[in-house]
Amino acid sequence: GAGVSQSPSNKVTEKGKDVELRCDPISGHTALYWYRQSLGQGLEFLIYFQGNSAPDKSGLPSDRFSAERTGGSVSTLTIQRTQQEDSAVYLCASSLGLGLNQPQHFGDGTRLSIL
Amino acid sequence: GNSVTQMEGPVTLSEEAFLTINCTYTATGYPSLFWYVQYPGEGLQLLLKATKADDKGSNKGFEATYRKETTSFHLEKGSVQVSDSAVYFCARGAGKSTFGDGTTLTVKP
Repeated sequence: GAGVSQSPSNKVTEKGKDVELRCDPISGHTALYWYRQSLGQGLEFLIYFQGNSAPDKSGLPSDRFSAERTGGSVSTLTIQRTQQEDSAVYLCASSLGLGLNQPQHFGDGTRLSIL
Repeated sequence: GNSVTQMEGPVTLSEEAFLTINCTYTATGYPSLFWYVQYPGEGLQLLLKATKADDKGSNKGFEATYRKETTSFHLEKGSVQVSDSAVYFCARGAGKSTFGDGTTLTVKP
């Protein structure tokens, strides 16, 4: 398909383990975003990448969270030493770029559950 | 900083009722404004957008008008259907958008 693809769709892991979440954006989209959506809450911005610029990491809640975007395409969000409060749906979005009034296109998310 | 304030939910309506979901934004600059919708079990998707003052975005019977004087972008629909039951998010700014907290709409037959 041509949409944003996220994997896995669901992840259950034990507290203290590391997890990696993957996002494959729409081809040609230079901007990529990660958000967290806790139950009944709005979207919490985590990080975004735009082209070759340094990512905006201002939304990452702690140094246990990191993200990479290799080759300007696929991105991986890594959470180390997971805690129960990390349980949420992690959403990835991509867009054609900044300043173009372009909306974001979202994936279906990864539902992360920390036991 | 930039912010978006949405009407708190949940909102429950009967089919064919009129819908308004209020949204106001901080007035720094002239941001693009968006409404996204999240149907049960699905990801967010763009519903409509407006890029400058007095623009009206519309889609699937929903409308929202960019009001610079009141810094608002209220979502309206004249006659809701059961299939409109979803969570609606208002957002300001392209690129690194700021999202509201979402409003859950339930439409009963």
